[in-house]
Amino acid sequence: AQKVTQAQTEISVVEKEDVTLDCVYETRDTTYYLFWYKQPPSGELVFLIRRNSFDEQNEISGRYSWNFQKSTSSFNFTITASQVVDSAVYFCALHSETGANNLFFGTGTRLTVIP
Amino acid sequence: KAGVTQTPRYLIKTRGQQVTLSCSPISGHRSVSWYQQTPGQGLQFLFEYFSETQRNKGNFPGRFSGRQFSNSRSEMNVSTLELGDSALYLCASSGYIGAEAFFGQGTRLTVV
Repeated sequence: AQKVTQAQTEISVVEKEDVTLDCVYETRDTTYYLFWYKQPPSGELVFLIRRNSFDEQNEISGRYSWNFQKSTSSFNFTITASQVVDSAVYFCALHSETGANNLFFGTGTRLTVIP
Repeated sequence: KAGVTQTPRYLIKTRGQQVTLSCSPISGHRSVSWYQQTPGQGLQFLFEYFSETQRNKGNFPGRFSGRQFSNSRSEMNVSTLELGDSALYLCASSGYIGAEAFFGQGTRLTVV
């Protein structure tokens, strides 16, 4: 069974603080993909990153960085020097080799950045 | 390159009616997936189409159906609407299995 857990329901930080959003996943497949999406108030899910199960290299993109650890089944997302525009709901998602495109989403973390 | 387009953006329907939502994927993408988002259940997978064939289906009643046309555009239909069907319905397109999915802005359906 596939499962994604985002234990943090809501997080508030003051602008310029760093924040880490946690994501823990479960799957029995050896090949899988992990994603992070951002959902601003407009409702559209904005793709942030995709990582396959064979690539544990961490990634940095501007103020965003991701830490993938297979040993703990975690794929955490850190925003450095947060900004008000980062306020949104963030979703972690898992795709396993099902022969189709269907994502299992976590319940999301609502991030509020206070100016 | 145009993104994923969903129409309409907002809908209000009465219980018992049926509704059809439309999704135009990114040009060249043949995989279209549908998701339902509600405050209580979160984001749940409805079904996925590829080259006019349904490849996978989530755990939803038969009142929820979909189809895909030869130009990859997709529609989903919900018959005999219930109050619990009120949700944001999101469509996503992908280039291949496991690729990043790009989402439309969604259709917000309200059943009264």
